Amino acid sequence: KQEVTQIPAALSVPEGENLVLNCSFTDSAIYNLQWFRQDPGKGLTSLLLIQSSQREQTSGRLNASLDKSSGRSTLYIAASQPGDSATYLCAVTGANNLFFGTGTRLTVIP
Amino acid sequence: EAEVAQSPRYKITEKSQAVAFWCDPISGHATLYWYRQILGQGPELLVQFQDESVVDDSQLPKDRFSAERLKGVDSTLKIQPAELGDSAMYLCASSEGLAGMGETQYFGPGTRLLVL
Repeated sequence: KQEVTQIPAALSVPEGENLVLNCSFTDSAIYNLQWFRQDPGKGLTSLLLIQSSQREQTSGRLNASLDKSSGRSTLYIAASQPGDSATYLCAVTGANNLFFGTGTRLTVIP
Repeated sequence: EAEVAQSPRYKITEKSQAVAFWCDPISGHATLYWYRQILGQGPELLVQFQDESVVDDSQLPKDRFSAERLKGVDSTLKIQPAELGDSAMYLCASSEGLAGMGETQYFGPGTRLLVL
């Protein structure tokens, strides 16, 4: 069974700092990898989706990379803002469903 | 922009009672998913529908949970009887294409269940 791990579990940074969130997965046979944002008590918002044939995707201040062979992905957030505070989840798509990590809870301190 | 709708947003119930959650996917989306997210963990798939057919319900506790998507549009997830350990966020998602194609899933706001 696919296992997805996210490190660190929690992260606090001062506003303006660049940061990297890490995701690793055990089975490289994936369709794609997604990064989601989840605010407390809310649903999931998709941030970036990387197809298995791609190496990275960018959206604004966010950049996600994928190294399928090593089972790793990173989410880079540039010039962090207090509004970026949330839990970030990565998920890999197997044949029929998404396998989620447990998330990284990010706090950006003004 | 089209969204996945869920209701209720919050539900408090006593153990042994029955509860039901409703989900309306994005119009035209063939695949619908129900996930359960326990506090501090990532979501886990409970059941997946392709139109009105169940594709995967291997993680659904069938002794107490049931799900249906009778007309291949909206869906209901039921728990009877509810147990304390069922307290969680229940998330619905939908995707446009066929199950197993790795398409983007769009999530609803979720229903937070508290069982007392």
